[in-house]
Amino acid sequence: AQSVTQLGSHVSVSEGALVLLRCNYSSSVPPYLFWYVQYPNQGLQLLLKYTSAATLVKGINGFEAEFKKSETSFHLTKPSAHMSDAAEYFCAVSGFGNEKLTFGTGTRLTIIP
Amino acid sequence: EAQVTQNPRYLITVTGKKLTVTCSQNMNHEYMSWYRQDPGLGLRQIYYSMNVEVTDKGDVPEGYKVSRKEKRNFPLILESPSPNQTSLYFCASRRTGLGTEAFFGQGTRLTVV
Repeated sequence: AQSVTQLGSHVSVSEGALVLLRCNYSSSVPPYLFWYVQYPNQGLQLLLKYTSAATLVKGINGFEAEFKKSETSFHLTKPSAHMSDAAEYFCAVSGFGNEKLTFGTGTRLTIIP
Repeated sequence: EAQVTQNPRYLITVTGKKLTVTCSQNMNHEYMSWYRQDPGLGLRQIYYSMNVEVTDKGDVPEGYKVSRKEKRNFPLILESPSPNQTSLYFCASRRTGLGTEAFFGQGTRLTVV
């Protein structure tokens, strides 16, 4: 069985500060890991994904995530928060041989001016 | 433009009145799925389809039906809606294969009174 845990349902950071959203996964096989973003009244869109090519993955809008197998983590970071980053962020996992995409419970990011 | 289109975006209905939420994609994707999003629970898969005439239950299938008669369409049917099906629903599609990106519709906010 596969699962993801997102620590912190709400995160607030000041504009210009570091953004760190945490995701830990559980998978019995090498995982594929994703971060999706949901802006208000919109569907989800892909920020970045890990598919074993490189442990540090760069995505859109200046976000990146690092796959750490020893810690079973895939935390999302951005060096400097912008007001437009305010949204809900979802971590998701799928496993080798398993088409299913399993989502975490989401983290709502608020940017303080 | 590549997209997943859901209709309607908003729907208020009464308990027991059958309804259908439509989903259509123009990317020739084999895999389509339905999710519901509830606060604190993230996205949970209702049903999925690997291809035409191939559908299977996800994590929360009770009270829902689907069909896949054409590759592009994957409607979600609630034959007798109940208040606990009040939720935000998303349709998604992607190519089959590991690590492929899922594309999401804009969502359908359903209220059952």
